[in-house]
Amino acid sequence: LAKTTQPISMDSYEGQEVNITCSHNNIATNDYITWYQQFPSQGPRFIIQGYKTKVTNEVASLFIPADRKSSTLSLPRVSLSDTAVYYCLVGDLYLNTPLVFGKGTRLSVIA
Amino acid sequence: NAGVTQTPKFRVLKTGQSMTLLCAQDMNHEYMYWYRQDPGMGLRLIHYSVGEGTTAKGEVPDGYNVSRLKKQNFLLGLESAAPSQTSVYFCASSYRAGTRSADTQYFGPGTRLTVL
Repeated sequence: LAKTTQPISMDSYEGQEVNITCSHNNIATNDYITWYQQFPSQGPRFIIQGYKTKVTNEVASLFIPADRKSSTLSLPRVSLSDTAVYYCLVGDLYLNTPLVFGKGTRLSVIA
Repeated sequence: NAGVTQTPKFRVLKTGQSMTLLCAQDMNHEYMYWYRQDPGMGLRLIHYSVGEGTTAKGEVPDGYNVSRLKKQNFLLGLESAAPSQTSVYFCASSYRAGTRSADTQYFGPGTRLTVL
């Protein structure tokens, strides 16, 4: 399984764009990149997933450079309700091996 | 759809007591998982199941047992609880590997367990 490295914490003011970068230097050819969000006292929830280039949905954008050794989760114009822990996971969707959640990045949005 | 539900939501045990945590999902998912989360930590996988009647060990399986007798249910058992097992336990489910969105896990609300 590809190991991931994320910043432990980040702070941002409301209305700013937040970019959280995840490093995965030993990502394999068949690996996908998935991000989850966890609010306090709740289970994580899926945000976005991608393989290469850029993926966008109603919540976030995911940027993946050509070498795929890192990825960036972008949250546009964050609000206080975006305060959460964000997890980056890397793995093969076609294997039975579950992905590993690291410690994630704790994002604090300040008014 | 209720999604993933967990029973109970809270529990306090004394050292040496036993208990079973129940996870149920109504999305017809093949895979189910049990995680524990300690303060300030990420989620650590305890056991998982890729189908009815099958289970496998995760990162931290010691002190826990599981059973998947029905596709929709995944039980986590603590035979002799220890204070080190004080944690929040999350159950999750997903489609099987090789399918679209296989990697999307749906989580339950968690069970907060305290072992005195």
